[in-house]
This record gives sequence, C-alpha cells and structure tokens, in this order.
Amino acid sequence: EADIYQTPRYLVIGTGKKITLECSQTMGHDKMYWYQQDPGMELHLIHYSYGVNSTEKGDLSSESTVSRIRTEHFPLTLESARPSHTSQYLCASSDDRASGNTIYFGEGSWLTVV
Amino acid sequence: KNQVEQSPQSLIILEGKNCTLQCNYTVSPFSNLRWYKQDTGRGPVSLTIMTFSENTKSNGRYTATLDADTKQSSLHITASQLSDSASYICVVSDRGSTLGRLYFGRGTQLTVWP
Repeated sequence: EADIYQTPRYLVIGTGKKITLECSQTMGHDKMYWYQQDPGMELHLIHYSYGVNSTEKGDLSSESTVSRIRTEHFPLTLESARPSHTSQYLCASSDDRASGNTIYFGEGSWLTVV
Repeated sequence: KNQVEQSPQSLIILEGKNCTLQCNYTVSPFSNLRWYKQDTGRGPVSLTIMTFSENTKSNGRYTATLDADTKQSSLHITASQLSDSASYICVVSDRGSTLGRLYFGRGTQLTVWP
C-alpha cells in the first residue's frame, strides 16, 4: 500500500483563480513527480524533484510551479487557472526510478476550470 | 522517437476468461518495463517490473513477459474477475539519464462482464 496522498481529490474553480494541489508521502522517498493525464491518454511528466530544494520541469510544458521545501511535500501551484488546465494531476514518488524501483502514485487530483 | 504502443485499445471479456494485453516499444537504451493497473479515477498501481535480463514475472493472476530482442511485452490475466476492469498501462524506462526517463503507453481499457 502506497503512503502517498493528494488533496483535493476533486476541485472545480473559476478562471483566473490560484490553486495549489497538495502531495505528501511518508515513505522517505527523495524523488517526487507530477504528471498530467487527460482521459484515455498517456501520462505526461510536468515537474520532478530529486530532493529538498531541487525541482525541474518535465517533458510537457506547464504553467504550473512546484516547490520542495520538505522531503515529504511536493505541492503544485497554478497562479491563474484557465479552462485548458482542466485535467487529472497525479503525484508520484520513488527511491530511484532509474534502477527499476517501484514508483508509487497518489490517487490523483481532478481539476476542472470553468 | 521513443514510443510505447499498446493493443488492443479496449477489450471486453467475460468473467473467468483469460486475456492477453500487448505492448510494443521503441525505447532505447532500454532499462526496464513496468505494467500498471489504473482503476477509473484512481492513481496507477504497480503490477510488475522487468529488467533486460528477465523474460517473465508473475504477480498473482497477472503474468508479464518481455522479449527485449523484439521489444515486445505482454500481460496475461488468468481467470478474470470483475475487479480486473481497469486500464492497464505499459511503462518503459530508458537508461540514458540519471532520472531514467519514463515512456507511457495510452493503456488498454479492460472491461470484465459477469
């Protein structure tokens, strides 16, 4: 059972609002990731972190930002939400992705911008 | 271009029957291949991980195979249950970077009918 949690699970907000999606893991993993997934489509990496104070942009361009002040937390923020941001956002963590260790995913945050 | 292609896109089977899902990839240099199960509205859950030297791995009623020469993998589900209804995602990792870049397939949507 993965100890990685995302809040909120579902959110509907208006255009222009600021939103932060929370992600926490209690497994002590250094590596954390944010993916975006539209229905029926593959996951796209938007941000990742190797550890505290380390953040990088992923493969998919995103207007969101992330921070990693503590090992356990990896929040994702949209300063001004737009309808094009409507999607599912999945947080994940691992000990070492390159070595083949398991990547644990959170339950996802479904964001709808109206 | 590194890609992961899954087939079929969707599949309907009767409870108790077996099925096989396919994954073809062009990712190089290859590091490992993972199969994930994703229930509707939930995060993906790991089923198996296989490295270059492994050609089969089982997890209960799930058996994954890997042919690294032909760059093909399959996921065989035995004696299907209603709870097997989900999207099954093939994920291939390269070893061209420390991060171990992941390439996601779009998944096969499996529906098990009673």
